[in-house]
Amino acid sequence: DAKTTQPNSMESNEEEPVHLPCNHSTISGTDYIHWYRQLPSQGPEYVIHGLTSNVNNRMASLAIAEDRKSSTLILHRATLRDAAVYYCILRDDTPNFGNEKLTFGTGTRLTIIP
Amino acid sequence: DGGITQSPKYLFRKEGQNVTLSCEQNLNHDAMYWYRQDPGQGLRLIYYSQIVNDFQKGDIAEGYSVSREKKESFPLTVTSAQKNPTAFYLCASSIWPANTGELFFGEGSRLTVL
Repeated sequence: DAKTTQPNSMESNEEEPVHLPCNHSTISGTDYIHWYRQLPSQGPEYVIHGLTSNVNNRMASLAIAEDRKSSTLILHRATLRDAAVYYCILRDDTPNFGNEKLTFGTGTRLTIIP
Repeated sequence: DGGITQSPKYLFRKEGQNVTLSCEQNLNHDAMYWYRQDPGQGLRLIYYSQIVNDFQKGDIAEGYSVSREKKESFPLTVTSAQKNPTAFYLCASSIWPANTGELFFGEGSRLTVL
């Protein structure tokens, strides 16, 4: 399974942009890049996903490197509510049985400084 | 409202007892997943199912069992064979094939073995 690597923790000041990196050097052509975040004592929630092109939604932006071996989740203006653990995972596009072994790493714990 | 429901939210068990955690979804999703999370750690996949009457082992299936008799239900049994069952358990569901689909998580079940 293709794996992802993220920094264990990051800090950012409130109301400033945050760039959360993710390395996935063994990504395959059929892997989508997904980001989730988890608040304390809650289940993770979906943030954004993409394949090749950069993506924007109301929560964040996803910048994907041209070679797809890395990506960056961008929170444009961090608030205290953005303090969470952020996970970057890969999802295979191929509809084969057994390929949905979705693996989450330890993620990046984002701390927002007031 | 559509969503995924886990019960109970908190559960205490004596050593040597089996316990079953419930996971129900009304999203009409084909795929369902069980994850385990230990304090300060990421999510580890226990079992997953892409279709009714079929399921696959994840990375840490030993000491756990599941069934998928109905599309909307994916209960997890923590057996007495699981050596360290105290953890936060998360259930998730998704459309399948799910390349662009997001995972929807329940609120989790926190199991404590006394």
